[in-house]
Amino acid sequence: GAGVSQTPSNKVTEKGKYVELRCDPISGHTALYWYRQSLGQGPEFLIYFQGTGAADDSGLPNDRFFAVRPEGSVSTLKIQRTERGDSAVYLCASSPLVGMNTEAFFGQGTRLTVV
Amino acid sequence: AQKITQTQPGMFVQEKEAVTLDCTYDTSDQSYGLFWYKQPSSGEMIFLIYQGSYDEQNATEGRYSLNFQKARKSANLVISASQLGDSAMYFCAMRERPGNQFYFGTGTSLTVIP
Repeated sequence: GAGVSQTPSNKVTEKGKYVELRCDPISGHTALYWYRQSLGQGPEFLIYFQGTGAADDSGLPNDRFFAVRPEGSVSTLKIQRTERGDSAVYLCASSPLVGMNTEAFFGQGTRLTVV
Repeated sequence: AQKITQTQPGMFVQEKEAVTLDCTYDTSDQSYGLFWYKQPSSGEMIFLIYQGSYDEQNATEGRYSLNFQKARKSANLVISASQLGDSAMYFCAMRERPGNQFYFGTGTSLTVIP
């Protein structure tokens, strides 16, 4: 399809394990965003990329979280030593870089559960 | 300070009636964009409507309109002729320049009553 694709849709992992969440944005979208959404809350900004570089990673909660986008397309959010508090839905979105009025197109999210 | 404030955690509306969902924002930029998204229980984020800070007219998209009051820094969403399918979470968001992150509010849960 032509939309933002996130895999896996669900991930259950044990506390302390490492996980990778993948986002495949809409082709041609330069900007890519990662958000985290806890139950009953709004999306919380984590990081955003312009092309290959992280333009703003101020939302990453600590150094256990890291994200890459090596070729300016697919992005991977990596979480080391997972904790139960990391359980949430991780949303990825993409957007054309130019134009204030261009909305972010969201994927369906990855529901991460740390047990 | 919160960039986006939505003060109504939950709202109820009778089917076919209109409802207003409140949103206030905080920015010192002159150029910014305001967005509303709908998130049904299935979880996807659906874009509804956009208002630019320099737009002189309120944005409209079908049954959705945005009551933009720049001096008050408010961007309320008005849904006319509510339908059962409008029951969802609604999020207000702002972007301060193209490509930058979107700031989201905490959302309003709307329930349409038959």
